Amino acid sequence: DTGVSQNPRHKITKRGQNVTFRCDPISEHNRLYWYRQTLGQGPEFLTYFQNEAQLEKSRLLSDRFSAERPKGSFSTLEIQRTEQGDSAMYLCASSRDLEKLFFGSGTQLSVL
Amino acid sequence: EDKVVQSPLSLVVHEGDTVTLNCSYEVTNFRSLLWYKQEKKAPTFLFMLTSSGIEKKSGRLSSILDKKELFSILNITATQTGDSAVYLCAVVDYGGSQGNLIFGKGTKLSVKP
Repeated sequence: DTGVSQNPRHKITKRGQNVTFRCDPISEHNRLYWYRQTLGQGPEFLTYFQNEAQLEKSRLLSDRFSAERPKGSFSTLEIQRTEQGDSAMYLCASSRDLEKLFFGSGTQLSVL
Repeated sequence: EDKVVQSPLSLVVHEGDTVTLNCSYEVTNFRSLLWYKQEKKAPTFLFMLTSSGIEKKSGRLSSILDKKELFSILNITATQTGDSAVYLCAVVDYGGSQGNLIFGKGTKLSVKP
């Protein structure tokens, strides 16, 4: 499978716990994006990387959120001290430069 | 501030109907406009439009861009229940925010048998 891969597919956690999601982009893609999506809404931008550099972060990305892409390949998104409002689908997407984005299947987070 | 506005936000039609979904945009340095279909999980790519007036077609779906009036439409003819999905429009903006890619909120299409 050469598409964008996200793990885990589902995550249920208790409020206050930390969670980490992983995204493996398409191998030759230099851009990697993280989005959050809630029911009935379009994807909300969180952050993006060009190679290993994190070039932009949304105001939505509070200090409890951190993302890395250490070698310009896979990326992780960590949420510390989760809150119920963090419950959402977290989507990763990758692209080569400003060409079309390819999305992963997402990680559905439920915070109890 | 850059923005992408889709209309309608939701639409219910019957099988066989033709629908038109709209996407208007205001961005600083337009490069291209993308349409995606989202069913349960990941959005899947439909079209990328960069030039005005050139229609892109794929089966019953077609799309066109008007760079003068700053909008695009997505047409679906002879709709089927499998067309039920959220249709997302996104604009690639050189030098813009959000990684140069701005999404609209989507149009939720429901096709009834």
